[in-house]
This record gives sequence, C-alpha cells and structure tokens, in this order.
Amino acid sequence: KAGVTQTPRYLIKTRGQQVTLSCSPISGHRSVSWYQQTPGQGLQFLFEYFSETQRNKGNFPGRFSGRQFSNSRSEMNVSTLELGDSALYLCASSLGGASRHTEAFFGQGTRLTVV
Amino acid sequence: AQTVTQSQPEMSVQEAETVTLSCTYDTSESDYYLFWYKQPPSRQMILVIRQEAYKQQNATENRFSVNFQKAAKSFSLKISDSQLGDAAMYFCAYRSAEYGNKLVFGAGTILRVKS
Repeated sequence: KAGVTQTPRYLIKTRGQQVTLSCSPISGHRSVSWYQQTPGQGLQFLFEYFSETQRNKGNFPGRFSGRQFSNSRSEMNVSTLELGDSALYLCASSLGGASRHTEAFFGQGTRLTVV
Repeated sequence: AQTVTQSQPEMSVQEAETVTLSCTYDTSESDYYLFWYKQPPSRQMILVIRQEAYKQQNATENRFSVNFQKAAKSFSLKISDSQLGDAAMYFCAYRSAEYGNKLVFGAGTILRVKS
C-alpha cells in the first residue's frame, strides 16, 4: 500500500512569487491536513480538507489556501511569498469520517526555501 | 483552545536503558486522542503510539508504552531497551474526537541515544 506522497520534495522560490504544493493521500483516505514546521514556531496546523471541503482552518493569513480534488489529492498554495514562509510543509492523510480509528499518516514533506 | 507542552527540549539515554519523555496538555473536552510521533533526521513523521481518552488502560506498542493520567492531563512516553534507531525528535500531539483530524503538537523533545 503506497504511503502519502508529497511533491516536490524541495523548492526554492523568490519573495513575491507563488507556489503550489501537492499531496496524494493513502488510497481510501478522504481527509488531508497540512502543517507548517519551522524551528521557531514548531508544527502548526494550516487546514484540513475532507471530501473536497475545508473542515478546519488554522491561524494563517489568506495567502495560504488549499483545495482537494474528487480523488482526495490536495494542493496547497501560498501567494506573495515572504522569507518567513520558508519551512517544511507536511501533509497528513487520514481515513476521516466517523471512524474512531483515524490516525494521521504523514508524507515526507516539501522543504520550501524563499530567497 | 487546546495546548500541548513538552518541557524537555532534549533528553539522552544509554543504549539498552529506559527513558521517559514528558507531555502535558490542556483541554476542556472529555473525548480526545493523544499521540506520540517520532521524526528522525529524514523528517518523516512516524506514529509511535496512540491513546484514546476514554480508555483507562495505558497503550503499549512493543518497547513503547505510555503513562496516561487523565485527571492530571499528563501523557508520558516510556521507551524501554533503547536502541540507536530511537534517536529522533519526539512530538506529543492532541486531537479532538469531535472536530476533524486537526493535530495540536507540542514543541518536541530531541532524544539522543548513546552507544
């Protein structure tokens, strides 16, 4: 069974540009969550998508957005990049739904560097 | 809002010895889940163990076990017979049973294993 796949693994962007990160969840999983990991702020929740709908949102500016497709794949977009957006972006896949057995399985992350 | 606190930024243990990592959390909810995740240098987050708040019995997974004290809001991880491969950053995480799959993470504890 394939795990969570995030692409690209590494990315270098210039301030002011925009970027799109992709996450393919485990087959059958309908929930995808995104996290930002930085040395200063640790792991922070960005948002969660379930069945193509945003179910939860963290405290990030509107420059951070996401979406989920009918095959559960998710994309995250950051517009007008700032130096402070440099981070490891992690995607987590869960079954979702009403099941109590909804562990989150993580991808290997996308390392974004803004210069 | 829920918070998770890991008061030990770094811990060391001798190979084959036992180490305990501490975690406390704050919540007004009665139904929730607690997790320990391991993040090795590869940066992939790996689920180590989970605990459901309504279960009084402490979870155990091979050499990993937890001490869950619901009234004290404490959730420590014990690693027995430590191995070099256990060296990693360990995160304690909280998830509400009601509001999707959002995880709230602690700041993490770096575990070093000495041979």
